[in-house]
Amino acid sequence: DTAVSQTPKYLVTQMGNDKSIKCEQNLGHDTMYWYKQDSKKFLKIMFSYNNKELIINETVPNRFSPKSPDKAHLNLHINSLELGDSAVYFCASSQDSREYTFGSGTRLTVV
Amino acid sequence: AQSVTQLDSHVSVSEGTPVLLRCNYSSSYSPSLFWYVQHPNKGLQLLLKYTSAATLVKGINGFEAEFKKSETSFHLTKPSAHMSDAAEYFCVVRMDSSYKLIFGSGTRLLVRP
Repeated sequence: DTAVSQTPKYLVTQMGNDKSIKCEQNLGHDTMYWYKQDSKKFLKIMFSYNNKELIINETVPNRFSPKSPDKAHLNLHINSLELGDSAVYFCASSQDSREYTFGSGTRLTVV
Repeated sequence: AQSVTQLDSHVSVSEGTPVLLRCNYSSSYSPSLFWYVQHPNKGLQLLLKYTSAATLVKGINGFEAEFKKSETSFHLTKPSAHMSDAAEYFCVVRMDSSYKLIFGSGTRLLVRP
């Protein structure tokens, strides 16, 4: 069983479209995160939810909206996609911020 | 403010020789430190973590790291490199009581036959 699973693994879409990436964790963790990895491999946090409550919201365009229907799921919706949104997006989860488990990533390509 | 600096963007070693990947951190608080590995087109896997217990931390696949507060360093080492170690390695810091991880810029390890 995959601990943190993201779908889709690859996503190619045109500029201006709206897309969603889904994330689910079966570890019983109370906190989930979205990280963005750019083309230079640099990873930066975008959002974090703790028990469905938003606790971290970095400087991210408001075209990006996270949604957490329950503590096992954290989805990322992106409106009006731009070329610069092309990146690998990683979902992660943790319990009490001690140990973090990452998903395998979603490679988003905007054309 | 916290930050983490990985001093080498690329490290190349021969198979069977030691590996040293350098990391320095900056933190006003007692930090938690991690090393993650990312193989090509794969996710991030935790190698080891330091959370204020023993300063020498042993991880998976023969890797270890030593926390040196006086030098603000957390270098990753392995006595003998294997071809399967070729990957991108990230040093990561977390401030106490924070949920946020701060990633270094990564070091690509190349292992020559």
